[in-house]
Amino acid sequence: DTGVSQDPRHKITKRGQNVTFRCDPISEHNRLYWYRQTLGQGPEFLTYFQNEAQLEKSRLLSDRFSAERPKGSFSTLEIQRTEQGDSAMYLCASNPRWGTTNTGELFFGEGSRLTVL
Amino acid sequence: GQQLNQSPQSMFIQEGEDVSMNCTSSSIFNTWLWYKQDPGEGPVLLIALYKAGELTSNGRLTAQFGITRKDSFLNISASIPSDVGIYFCAGQFNDYKLSFGAGTTVTVRA
Repeated sequence: DTGVSQDPRHKITKRGQNVTFRCDPISEHNRLYWYRQTLGQGPEFLTYFQNEAQLEKSRLLSDRFSAERPKGSFSTLEIQRTEQGDSAMYLCASNPRWGTTNTGELFFGEGSRLTVL
Repeated sequence: GQQLNQSPQSMFIQEGEDVSMNCTSSSIFNTWLWYKQDPGEGPVLLIALYKAGELTSNGRLTAQFGITRKDSFLNISASIPSDVGIYFCAGQFNDYKLSFGAGTTVTVRA
């Protein structure tokens, strides 16, 4: 399977614990995105990387959240001191470059569902 | 940020029916995209539109990029049971970020 891969698919944790999600984008896609989705809503932008550089962070991304893409390939999203309001589906997407620009087409992984008890 | 309004919020389909849903925005977009999401899965891209007025088909799906650049619609012709799911519109204003609507849930009428 050469699509976007996310791990774990499901995570249940207690409030106050730290969790980390991993995303492996489609090979050679230079952009990688993290989105969050709560029940009954569309995905909301959190942050994105172009290669290894994190170029924008949403105001939704509090200081308890940190994302990295150290070698410009896979990415991790860590949530420290989880709160019940962090319960959501965390979606990763990647985006290919055509010539000198990126297309508008994001390809999503299957998501990592977080439940904070 | 840009707000997208999708309608209807939900709809029931009967096999063989044509269905239509749309998305409007208070801001203009340079790109409109339509995604489908099944329960517990990530969104899957259906159609991407890049020019105002563009009409694009993908099998039984047809989508249009509104002339004003503030709206788009998606039609599904001759619906089948596997068309159930949540359909999201998404708009892109700059070259990197998509804003999503809240989705239209399509269910099979019993």
